[in-house]
Amino acid sequence: NAGVTQTPKFQVLKTGQSMTLQCAQDMNHEYMSWYRQDPGMGLRLIHYSVGAGITDQGEVPNGYNVSRSTTEDFPLRLLSAAPSQTSVYFCASSTTGPLSNQPQHFGDGTRLSIL
Amino acid sequence: AQSVTQPDIHITVSEGASLELRCNYSYGATPYLFWYVQSPGQGLQLLLKYFSGDTLVQGIKGFEAEFKRSQSSFNLRKPSVHWSDAAEYFCAVGARAAGNKLTFGGGTRVLVKP
Repeated sequence: NAGVTQTPKFQVLKTGQSMTLQCAQDMNHEYMSWYRQDPGMGLRLIHYSVGAGITDQGEVPNGYNVSRSTTEDFPLRLLSAAPSQTSVYFCASSTTGPLSNQPQHFGDGTRLSIL
Repeated sequence: AQSVTQPDIHITVSEGASLELRCNYSYGATPYLFWYVQSPGQGLQLLLKYFSGDTLVQGIKGFEAEFKRSQSSFNLRKPSVHWSDAAEYFCAVGARAAGNKLTFGGGTRVLVKP
């Protein structure tokens, strides 16, 4: 059982480049989310999805796009990378959301640097 | 809007000593409260959560936390720390009225001295 798998683990981009961070889960979880983690600021919610075809914005959505075409996958797209997007990105999944009795499962993160 | 404050950025504790990590939240109604732990290079793992009922909550790895409504606090404790407890700890708050989302504190990094 792989849990939540994020790829790549590390990435360096130049300003203005685009890329997609991949997130896949094999637990048939309906709820998936993306966070970014910056020093001293904890995790901040970027986007989340309560099921295939449904997405919504979190606390810091600007500069990021998401889609949810399948239950398993929830990719995060940076259309034009900016240095302010240098961060560690975490994907998480759970049955019905972080406030359910079932815990969220986190991936190991993608460390992204924008030069 | 809900918010979470973890006043201590770093804490150093000797192995075998007790540990207490502070967490204060701001929210009008009864919140859902969580503590997560993050080991280096890894994602977050849930230690414990409070939804309702008994205000003293037991979690994994020997941790417990106490919800004190009057102080808007949810402090995490462990009676005797092991070297493997060195990690970063995050408090988080959620509320259904505020959407199915969590707000995290800035984290407390715990260093364990031999």
